Amino acid sequence: QKEVEQDPGPLSVPEGAIVSLNCTYSNSAFQYFMWYRQYSRKGPELLMYTYSSGNKEDGRFTAQVDKSSKYISLFIRDSQPSDSATYLCALTNNAGNMLTFGGGTRLMVKP
Amino acid sequence: DAEITQSPRHKITETGRQVTLACHQTWNHNNMFWYRQDLGHGLRLIHYSYGVQDTNKGEVSDGYSVSRSNTEDLPLTLESAASSQTSVYFCASSAAGQVTDTQYFGPGTRLTVL
Repeated sequence: QKEVEQDPGPLSVPEGAIVSLNCTYSNSAFQYFMWYRQYSRKGPELLMYTYSSGNKEDGRFTAQVDKSSKYISLFIRDSQPSDSATYLCALTNNAGNMLTFGGGTRLMVKP
Repeated sequence: DAEITQSPRHKITETGRQVTLACHQTWNHNNMFWYRQDLGHGLRLIHYSYGVQDTNKGEVSDGYSVSRSNTEDLPLTLESAASSQTSVYFCASSAAGQVTDTQYFGPGTRLTVL
C-alpha cells in the first residue's frame, strides 16, 4: 500500500463548478500538507500548504486537513479553464524537507 | 530572476549507456532534489543533497548517482541506462532551515531508454 493515495482522475467539470480533490495517507507522522499544481509538460509549483488539522483559504482555493481520518482535501471554487492541470498532494514530517507525493489527480475544466 | 534549469529537455539513449542529466539553480539554495515522475506513481525521490559534498539516497536510488561540487549544480548520472529508467526527471531546490520552504521545480527532462 502506498503511503499517500490519490485518485488519478481525470476529473472533468464545467466552468464555475466547485472542485474537490482528495488524498488519503497512512503515516501519522506527517505534519505538513501541501498541494502542488502541475501544468502539462511543466514542473510542479506549490499552490498552498497547511500545518496539522484545519482549513486554510487562499482566494478560490481552500485546503482542508483531517488528521484523525488521515484525509486531506483541496477545494476550488468558481473553477476556471486555467485551473486545468494535475494536482498533487505532498506530505512531510519535520525530517529535512522531504516530501512524499501522491500520484496526482488530473483536472479538466471545460468552458 | 532566479531560476532552476534542466538540460537536456529531451534525451533518447540506448540500454547500457551512461547518461548525465544537468540541474542548475541560481537561488543559492542549499537543498537540491532529484525526482522521477511515472504514470500512477507520482513523484518519487531519487537522491537529494543538503549542501556541497553532501548527497543522500532517496526512495528509488538504485542505478543513479549524484555529486555536489558547488551550490548551484546537482547532476544526476545513470551509470548504465535501463528501459525501466524511461521517465520524466525533475530537479528541485529549496532554502535550508524551514520544513515548509518551497521546493522550486525545474521544467523536467524526458528520458527515453531504448
